[in-house]
Amino acid sequence: GNSVTQMEGPVTLSEEAFLTINCTYTATGYPSLFWYVQYPGEGLQLLLKATKADDKGSNKGFEATYRKETTSFHLEKGSVQVSDSAVYFCALSDIGGSNYKLTFGKGTLLTVNP
Amino acid sequence: DAGVIQSPRHEVTEMGQEVTLRCKPISGHDYLFWYRQTMMRGLELLIYFNNNVPIDDSGMPEDRFSAKMPNASFSTLKIQPSEPRDSAVYFCASTRSSNQPQHFGDGTRLSIL
Repeated sequence: GNSVTQMEGPVTLSEEAFLTINCTYTATGYPSLFWYVQYPGEGLQLLLKATKADDKGSNKGFEATYRKETTSFHLEKGSVQVSDSAVYFCALSDIGGSNYKLTFGKGTLLTVNP
Repeated sequence: DAGVIQSPRHEVTEMGQEVTLRCKPISGHDYLFWYRQTMMRGLELLIYFNNNVPIDDSGMPEDRFSAKMPNASFSTLKIQPSEPRDSAVYFCASTRSSNQPQHFGDGTRLSIL
């Protein structure tokens, strides 16, 4: 079956530091890949997505590139802010590439200190 | 545009009691999902509906759990009888179609004593 593995947290950074959160996946077929973010006390929000190999998703300064050869979708940001403190989830769609059934990683807690 | 609305936000009850969680999806969204989030298991899909019909309930943990969607604007997730291991945050999400992202509610934090 499909699976997503994220680097375990927590990750603690100082403001303006560079962020990388690793994500690798196992899937048959050609899944779409996503990063969701969960702020304290809230539900998940889509941060960015990529639907085919070599696509780069980007939003709010975050980027991730769909790497089929390494089955990876690592999240990066060049300069984090305190407001980026949240839990980040990597996810993939089901075998058919549809969006309506997602498999999530366990999440990575990011804390950014001033 | 209102988001996905879940109620209650918090629920504390004793084991053995029936628990009902409610969800109102975004208007016009044909897909509705119920997830459970725990520290140990992360985020798990329990069941999802398309046009009010359950499509995949393979994630429902056991017969104590049931979900219904009587109309396009309302869904319930029931646990009867509840057990302490059911304590978790339960999320509802909806989406318009397969190429659109899922929109999540703020969740119901359930504690079974």
